[in-house]
This record gives sequence, structure tokens and C-alpha cells, in this order.
Amino acid sequence: AQTVTQSQPEMSVQEAETVTLSCTYDTSESDYYLFWYKQPPSRQMILVIRQEAYKQQNATENRFSVNFQKAAKSFSLKISDSQLGDAAMYFCAYRSAGGGADGLTFGKGTHLIIQP
Amino acid sequence: NAGVTQTPKFQVLKTGQSMTLQCAQDMNHEYMSWYRQDPGMGLRLIHYSVGAGITDQGEVPNGYNVSRSTTEDFPLRLLSAAPSQTSVYFCASRLQGTGGYTFGSGTRLTVV
Repeated sequence: AQTVTQSQPEMSVQEAETVTLSCTYDTSESDYYLFWYKQPPSRQMILVIRQEAYKQQNATENRFSVNFQKAAKSFSLKISDSQLGDAAMYFCAYRSAGGGADGLTFGKGTHLIIQP
Repeated sequence: NAGVTQTPKFQVLKTGQSMTLQCAQDMNHEYMSWYRQDPGMGLRLIHYSVGAGITDQGEVPNGYNVSRSTTEDFPLRLLSAAPSQTSVYFCASRLQGTGGYTFGSGTRLTVV
């Protein structure tokens, strides 16, 4: 079974600065997908960014980018120019790409605080 | 296009009661799944479906049943509610391929 670990229960950053959230995972599979989801106080789960394991290039979405290190099984999220609206819980998630089992395996989350 | 719709948004049950959490999506997604979210635990997979008529268990399936008679609907049934099932429940769906899951807005369930 796969596991996802987020070692930072809470992070705090000044508005306009850059912050990096850490995620490591454990799997024996070679083909999979990784995701970062944002959950604001509204409770809605919002997909921030995704990465296919077979792609070496790191994914970027505007101010959000990842550092994907497949050999190290590491998948960190970098948020540049932090904004007050970025304050939320952030969850790292894994999904197998192989046939059969589906669904997401989540880490326990990182609570991101933005200081004005 | 409503996305993933969950009903109800809030529910209080007594121990031993049964109920069904509804989940519907209008995006013609083949894959659907249910999760529960408890404080400090992240989201955990309860059951998933890869298409109409096909379901399978996730990490925490005990106490829950599912069925998938149509592509659009994926209800979650609690046969005999227990206080340990107090949680926030999320339904999600995705297309076949590389996309991530789209989530519903969740149901907060309290079992007393």
C-alpha cells in the first residue's frame, strides 16, 4: 500500500514571500500521479497542481510550482508571492496509474498561515 | 454543469440508524470515490468505483456500502450508524486519464 507523509503540520509565511510545503511518499509502483489540493475554511477541496510520474519536468500553475524528485520520492509545493487567499489546509495526494485500484491516498495536511 | 453534488450538507443521526449519503455528477465521469475526513487524519478512501456496476473497497470500508447502478450516481450507505462514523464525507469523480478528482462540497455527519 502507498503512504503519503506531510511532515509540517503548520507553516507560516509573510504575505508576498515564498513558502515551500513538503511531501514524501512511499510506493513500489513506477507509474503514478501526484497532486496538491487546497482546502480553505469553506471545506471545498480544490485541485492546485498535478504531476505525472513519467514526466521529468516539474509542473507549474501560475504562482504554484512543484519540485518532483522521483528517486527520493519527494513532491514539494512552492507558493511564490504568497497572498492572503492562499491561507488554507494543503493536502498532498497520490493516485496509482496502473489498472485496478483507484482513488487517492492523502497526507495529513499542512495548515498554511499567511501573515499580512 | 453542477459538477459533483452531495446531499445532505449536514445530518445528525442516532446510533443504530441507517441513512444514505447521495452523490451525483453531471460530467460523465467514469471514476467516483468516497472519502471521510477526520481531524488530524487527512482524507481516507472508503470505497471507489471505476464504472457503472463496478465498486471496490478502499482503506476504511467497514460499516459502509456502495453501489453504482448509473454513471451519474454513487450513493454511500451507513447500515447501522456508530459514533465512530462522525466525520465529514466527500464524494469525488474524475475522467479516465491523467486528471485529478473533482470533489463535492461534503456532508458533515454527526452520530449521537
